[in-house]
Amino acid sequence: DAGITQSPRHKVTETGTPVTLRCHQTENHRYMYWYRQDPGHGLRLIHYSYGVKDTDKGEVSDGYSVSRSKTEDFLLTLESATSSQTSVYFCAISEPLGGLTHGYTFGSGTRLTVV
Amino acid sequence: DAKTTQPPSMDCAEGRAANLPCNHSTISGNEYVYWYRQIHSQGPQYIIHGLKNNETNEMASLIITEDRKSSTLILPHATLRDTAVYYCIVRQDGGATNKLIFGTGTLLAVQP
Repeated sequence: DAGITQSPRHKVTETGTPVTLRCHQTENHRYMYWYRQDPGHGLRLIHYSYGVKDTDKGEVSDGYSVSRSKTEDFLLTLESATSSQTSVYFCAISEPLGGLTHGYTFGSGTRLTVV
Repeated sequence: DAKTTQPPSMDCAEGRAANLPCNHSTISGNEYVYWYRQIHSQGPQYIIHGLKNNETNEMASLIITEDRKSSTLILPHATLRDTAVYYCIVRQDGGATNKLIFGTGTLLAVQP
């Protein structure tokens, strides 16, 4: 979607190597999220951020870390990739307006394969 | 956040209305109903949301029962491009933890 980009779009990496996925937004939205999607599980929240340097864990955070040093960038790091982290990763953004959050906007996804 | 129950799959003929049901019997008074869809391999797309009243936008209509324990998403004239997985989500709004929790959704197959 316009305003949110994920990089890389595809990556193949070896078990045990570190991997960083980047989410970049131009919308100046406050909230950013990382999800992973696997067959049979739907989308599951990994980590989220509610401001610069403010992050928290989601439902499947083990093996992942995140950083947000600027409003526009939210990085997801796999410190030592494992085959179970082979997945499609989606980033999303949202902005509270008058106490309400409207829809999330999702990126196009990063397909990560760990061999 | 309250859980939702959706049928795993539905079919609809092209040009007809698609009515996708969602049960959320444990919804609390300050929780909204959101609908998203995901077309194959793409990121989910926001469709519509509501609290109590029925809502309509350019994509769809949302009908929420008076007791708010269930809702229906209506696509008035389904096209082949509406084939997707549709997710019904209920959550509180506002605050720092504005996270969406997805279930497994309903796969809508629009047939020519």
